[in-house]
Amino acid sequence: EVQLVESGGGLVQPGGSLRLSCAASGFTFTSYWMSWVRRAPGKGLEWVANIKQDGSDKYYVDSVRGRFTISRDNAKNSLYLQMNGLRAEDTAVYYCARDRAGYSSGWYFYYFDYWGQGTLVTVSS
Amino acid sequence: EIVLTQSPGTLSLSPGERATLSCRASQNISTIYLAWYQQKPGQAPRLLIYSASSRATGIPDRFSGSGSGTDFTLTISRLEPEDFAVYYCQQYGSSPRYTFGQGTKLEIK
Repeated sequence: EVQLVESGGGLVQPGGSLRLSCAASGFTFTSYWMSWVRRAPGKGLEWVANIKQDGSDKYYVDSVRGRFTISRDNAKNSLYLQMNGLRAEDTAVYYCARDRAGYSSGWYFYYFDYWGQGTLVTVSS
Repeated sequence: EIVLTQSPGTLSLSPGERATLSCRASQNISTIYLAWYQQKPGQAPRLLIYSASSRATGIPDRFSGSGSGTDFTLTISRLEPEDFAVYYCQQYGSSPRYTFGQGTKLEIK
């Protein structure tokens, strides 16, 4: 059974840092891109970042680029999100999600087939 | 950046009725890049549909997806009590990698 379990959320002051972790099990972790997705209170889902299987490629949404760093430890089947320079607008539930690849007529496409339960990050003084 | 606009914002229906949720893209996207998710309060999102019309594993056949170009639809043929939730469309692109619509809340009338 695929499981994704996030941890590391909490209350932090503006400008502070936090490191989120996601423990993966039940699948071959090294075969998948992995993502972080967040949902701010009263708002919709927002993709934050993702990372390639071997960690060599990383992508970020503009609003976090330069402040957040996604990483993974394949030996530990774990995904991380280092968040620095936190702002009130970063307050959200952060989900770890598996990027599932499909292939059709020469094109790859991706979607999220498994999600963790999320960890809450609150940025407030 | 492709923007996805979902309508209506809130849909009030009764169990047994048919629900039609819309997702409009700001420019043409390939059907393979469009997915739909369901999220209930306090729960993680759940994949319903990928490639615009393919049901994910374990999703009941009352859920169906359709559309092409800029207009996509999620249809729930006969609403069950457990279907009342928030629904999001999502597209896979280049920058940013993924974007979501703002969501449609399906509530019990």
